Amino acid sequence: EIVLTQSPATLSLSPGERATLSCGASQSVSSSYLAWYQQKPGLAPRLLIYDASSRATGIPDRFSGSGSGTDFTLTISRLEPEDFAVYYCQQYGSSPPLTFGGGTKVEIK
Amino acid sequence: EVQLLESGGGLVQPGGSLRLSCAASGFTFSSYAMSWVRQAPGKGLEWVSAISGSGGSTYYADSVKGRFTISRDNSKNTLYLQMNSLRAEDTAVYYCAKDLNDYGDYDAFDIWGQGTMVTVSS
Repeated sequence: EIVLTQSPATLSLSPGERATLSCGASQSVSSSYLAWYQQKPGLAPRLLIYDASSRATGIPDRFSGSGSGTDFTLTISRLEPEDFAVYYCQQYGSSPPLTFGGGTKVEIK
Repeated sequence: EVQLLESGGGLVQPGGSLRLSCAASGFTFSSYAMSWVRQAPGKGLEWVSAISGSGGSTYYADSVKGRFTISRDNSKNTLYLQMNSLRAEDTAVYYCAKDLNDYGDYDAFDIWGQGTMVTVSS
């Protein structure tokens, strides 16, 4: 089972700032099959990034993903008020179990 | 519009059973693998189970193996999760989720239902 570790647990930033979220894997993620999701309170997760760097349909270009192997990053270039939420990474490159990271909360400073 | 709608959650005693349903619309249901993902109160996301588009292949997290059964009825565009021998630690919001691509048995999830709450308590 691939364990995903997200850091930091909480990121306190102001609107307009740049956010950098990390996701580390306990072993290499095959073919960069890594996704990022955004979740707001009381709502289902929303797919942002798949295959490590491809934006999902309708996702603004201020969201970008990068990385390969065991180290992945989600960058939000300029935080908008609606971006304050919890973000999860997920790997789907190996046979199940599929795994999620523990999440990073981006909060308003 | 692509949509998933879960139902069947509720309060159940430890050791009891519950069956969740997920009604799909707006896409060719049989072409996509589907998963169940859960989220305990105040916690992160946990993948529970997946099933291939045909229903011929199923996968489970160790935490539910032998107790939960995933299935689908492609004629009814509906996904199911039969949950037996429920425990307090199964208390969570259960989401059904659609694979992004129509190939393979597991993928990123591009469409999620609104979730249904399962509470296991005496």
